[in-house]
Amino acid sequence: DGGITQSPKYLFRKEGQNVTLSCEQNLNHDAMYWYRQDPGQGLRLIYYSQIVNDFQKGDIAEGYSVSREKKESFPLTVTSAQKNPTAFYLCASTYGRPNTGELFFGEGSRLTVL
Amino acid sequence: QQQVKQSPQSLIVQKGGISIINCAYENTAFDYFPWYQQFPGKGPALLIAIRPDVSEKKEGRFTISFNKSAKQFSLHIMDSQPGDSATYFCAAPRGIQGAQKLVFGQGTRLTINP
Repeated sequence: DGGITQSPKYLFRKEGQNVTLSCEQNLNHDAMYWYRQDPGQGLRLIYYSQIVNDFQKGDIAEGYSVSREKKESFPLTVTSAQKNPTAFYLCASTYGRPNTGELFFGEGSRLTVL
Repeated sequence: QQQVKQSPQSLIVQKGGISIINCAYENTAFDYFPWYQQFPGKGPALLIAIRPDVSEKKEGRFTISFNKSAKQFSLHIMDSQPGDSATYFCAAPRGIQGAQKLVFGQGTRLTINP
């Protein structure tokens, strides 16, 4: 079955620790995205990548980092510099440009900072 | 820099009624307007989408109405069912430096009472 797999589904972190969220897709999509979801604020774009070895900052990139070494994988690291990291994180992918095709989402990773 | 404004934030409808969710946009360059549906603990999934060259698109009980002059588009759910209870997001692609990002509204939490 093709799709996007995010792991872990739940993650707890102590303040000051970095944590990496995994995102893997087997849809052969070129573009991948990371969104953050908070109640009442919709989905806000953190980072996106249109091709391997290239990525751009979204609207709320501060305190986050990403890599795109393989087409299938787009991990997100939440660093200790992120002031309010507790949130639901969603990874997505699509062919090329999002106005020509569907954006496919994973099931999300819920990060809680203790 | 919110470019898509969604209302209401929450909505309660009786079973069999019509659910209406509205979105307003600012950028007239948008050329694609999708709606996504999200169930609790899951990632969003594409429900229905419209391009601005048509004023209405219907898929089953779901209809998108588009008003280009008012810069608004809305989702109508006819004969609403308890299984429609979910959070709904409108979205539009925003272009920047040759790339495109999908910008989401704040979301509407819809509850259908049996």
